[in-house]
Amino acid sequence: TQLLEQSPQFLSIQEGENLTVYCNSSSVFSSLQWYRQEPGEGPVLLVTVVTGGEVKKLKRLTFQFGDARKDSSLHITAAQPGDTGLYLCAGATSNTGKLIFGQGTTLQVKP
Amino acid sequence: KAGVTQTPRYLIKTRGQQVTLSCSPISGHRSVSWYQQTPGQGLQFLFEYFSETQRNKGNFPGRFSGRQFSNSRSEMNVSTLELGDSALYLCASSLVGQGNTEAFFGQGTRLTVV
Repeated sequence: TQLLEQSPQFLSIQEGENLTVYCNSSSVFSSLQWYRQEPGEGPVLLVTVVTGGEVKKLKRLTFQFGDARKDSSLHITAAQPGDTGLYLCAGATSNTGKLIFGQGTTLQVKP
Repeated sequence: KAGVTQTPRYLIKTRGQQVTLSCSPISGHRSVSWYQQTPGQGLQFLFEYFSETQRNKGNFPGRFSGRQFSNSRSEMNVSTLELGDSALYLCASSLVGQGNTEAFFGQGTRLTVV
């Protein structure tokens, strides 16, 4: 059974702080995606990483794919209240639509 | 370009009833996947349809079924509803099969079973 362990599950920080969310697995993924989800809405794709060691930046968000393509991290610099939400990592192991999701990280950024 | 559309947004059903949810993918996307999201289990894969064929299936009982039409629109059906089926059901479409596994989600259907 393929699993993605995401940590931490909950994070409550003050505006301006930095944070990192981790996504780990014993399985190799062909690609890994990060999503952000608001309550009552569907997940919105933030980024896809494909190559081992790849780093992608999206404004204050930095995403990294591990060299062995088994893990990934999301780093947010100077978090803002607008970053509040549920962050999900999802791995693809084949060229199909099936994604394995982590449990998610609920982030609350207080003003 | 229109996104993934799911209908209805909200549903309340009674135990034992059945329900059908609909999903219209992004134009040109032939893969449609369904997920169940609950607070305790997170997002769990139900099944994927590609070109009207079920290509992948998750670990859900046979009460959960789906189909895909020639225009790539998909429906999922849950029969003999149980209280535990209450969840947000999400549909995602992608260009998978064309070298791209990125999934784009609809807003979901919130199903409440009473």
